[in-house]
Amino acid sequence: KAGVTQTPRYLIKTRGQQVTLSCSPISGHRSVSWYQQTPGQGLQFLFEYFSETQRNKGNFPGRFSGRQFSNSRSEMNVSTLELGDSALYLCASSLGGAHGYTFGSGTRLTVV
Amino acid sequence: EDKVVQSPLSLVVHEGDTVTLNCSYEVTNFRSLLWYKQEKKAPTFLFMLTSSGIEKKSGRLSSILDKKELFSILNITATQTGDSAVYLCAVGYGGSQGNLIFGKGTKLSVKP
Repeated sequence: KAGVTQTPRYLIKTRGQQVTLSCSPISGHRSVSWYQQTPGQGLQFLFEYFSETQRNKGNFPGRFSGRQFSNSRSEMNVSTLELGDSALYLCASSLGGAHGYTFGSGTRLTVV
Repeated sequence: EDKVVQSPLSLVVHEGDTVTLNCSYEVTNFRSLLWYKQEKKAPTFLFMLTSSGIEKKSGRLSSILDKKELFSILNITATQTGDSAVYLCAVGYGGSQGNLIFGKGTKLSVKP
């Protein structure tokens, strides 16, 4: 059974550009969450989607947005990139209940 | 402000030792507490705890939650070098499981 797939694995962008990251959840999982991980702040919640609807949003500026498609795949977009956006972006999906969240390997974004 | 605090931040032990990792939390609308192991990129789900006093076990790992004192511990017995990783504690809150507040993690190093 395939795990959570995130693409691309690595990305280098310039300040001011925008970026789109993709996440394919485990088949059958309808809930997808996104997290940003940095050495200083650790893992921080960005947003959660369920059945194409954003259910929760973390404390990030409006430059961070996301969406979920009917097949449960999700994308997140960051516009007007800043140096501080350099981080590992992790996506996680869940079947719900006591199953917890399964994380993908992440996309390492470097902003120069 | 909601927070999850893990201690110690780092720990060095020798193979065969038993370790206890701590996680305390102050989170409104607590829903569940989860433990993850992160070796390189993707955190791996270990346990989800929702009820006080019920120990969850998986091989040499076990965990328990105290909802009165607002903490959880993760025990690892007979440690092996493969246990070396960052152990993350996260608390789910609110109406959905998608938003988790993570602690900064405990970095465990097991020496042969």
